[in-house]
Formats: sequence, C-alpha cells, structure tokens
Amino acid sequence: DAGVIQSPRHEVTEMGQEVTLRCKPISGHNSLFWYRQTMMRGLELLIYFNNNVPIDDSGMPEDRFSAKMPNASFSTLKIQPSEPRDSAVYFCAQGGNSYNEQFFGPGTRLTVL
Amino acid sequence: KQEVTQIPAALSVPEGENLVLNCSFTDSAIYNLQWFRQDPGKGLTSLLLIQSSQREQTSGRLNASLDKSSGRSTLYIAASQPGDSATYLCAPRNAGNMLTFGGGTRLMVKP
Repeated sequence: DAGVIQSPRHEVTEMGQEVTLRCKPISGHNSLFWYRQTMMRGLELLIYFNNNVPIDDSGMPEDRFSAKMPNASFSTLKIQPSEPRDSAVYFCAQGGNSYNEQFFGPGTRLTVL
Repeated sequence: KQEVTQIPAALSVPEGENLVLNCSFTDSAIYNLQWFRQDPGKGLTSLLLIQSSQREQTSGRLNASLDKSSGRSTLYIAASQPGDSATYLCAPRNAGNMLTFGGGTRLMVKP
C-alpha cells in the first residue's frame, strides 16, 4: 500500500498562473481532506469530502480556490489565478468516519513568484 | 471554535531522557485526539489515536494520555533517541470529522 499519493511534489509558478494539485487517496476510506501549512498559520483545513461530496469548504480562503473529487480515487485542488501569498505546503489526507485516524500524503510544496 | 495550544514550542534534550509534550484544547466535545510526527520537509505521520472514552494509548516508547474534561493531552516519550527529533503535533477531532492542529513542539534529541 503506497499510501496517499500527491503530485506534483514541488511546484514553482508565476503570479497569475493556474495551479492544479492532485491527490490519489487510499482505497477503502470515504473521507478526503485538503490542508494548507504555512509558518505563520500552521496547518489549516481547507475543505473536506465525504463519499466524494464536499461537506465543509469554510476553510477555502477565496473564490480563487476550488476543489473537486470526481470519483473515490482522485481529487484536485485548483488555484486560479495564483498569488505569492498562496505559497505553502498543501496536504491531502484521508480517513474514515470521525473515529478513524487520518493519513496524510507527502504534500505539495507550492511557490508562487 | 476549537483552539489548540502546545507547550513547549521547542525542546532540546540529551539522548536517553524521558519527555512530556503537552497539548491543551478549548472545546472538550471531541471524538478523539490524534498525535502526529512531522520531519522537516515531510508529511505527517500518525503516531497515536486516542478515543474520547480512553484515558491512555501506548505504542512502543510512546504513551498518550487524554483528560477530555480538562481539555488536555500529553505525549510521553521514554528513553528518547536522536531519531525522535521532529515536530510533534496534536489534533483533537470535533463534530464534522475535522481535526484542529496545534502549533507543534519542535523536539531535538542530542546524541
């Protein structure tokens, strides 16, 4: 079991460009979470899905951010247009119900110049 | 809104010491609490999950305790080793299946 897979692992882009981050979760778990980690704000939940349906997106900072989960084996987080303040490490995590552990992917380090 | 505080923010100890990392949270209506380890530039590794009905959970040299009513959890590391050097994060889970993270404790164990 390779665990949660994220791609790319590193992304450097210029302000104004569209960025798409990808997550391939572990099969058999029905909840998927996107987090952002920065030095200033620590780890913050952006959005989470249950059975491919977005349940809580209150952490999504702006309309520039959007997330999709078209099926149980794939999710994307898109930023359009990107800004330098979006620079952070973005993690995808997966879990079951409220009583289960969450397992994190290795993260995507995003730098917006 | 849940707020999580971890003390100390940083800790440096010689190898072999027993350690206690502290976590406090404001909303005691939690399902469980998870302790993670994060190595520099890496993702989070789950160490222990302690359910709200449990008082303790153990894995090897690690022991996590939970006092839900007072909003506290501790992570005890026995006989620390240089390989334990990392940032340790606690995260209580409230309704809605959502984790709230503390700022972490940066641990360095010197040989």
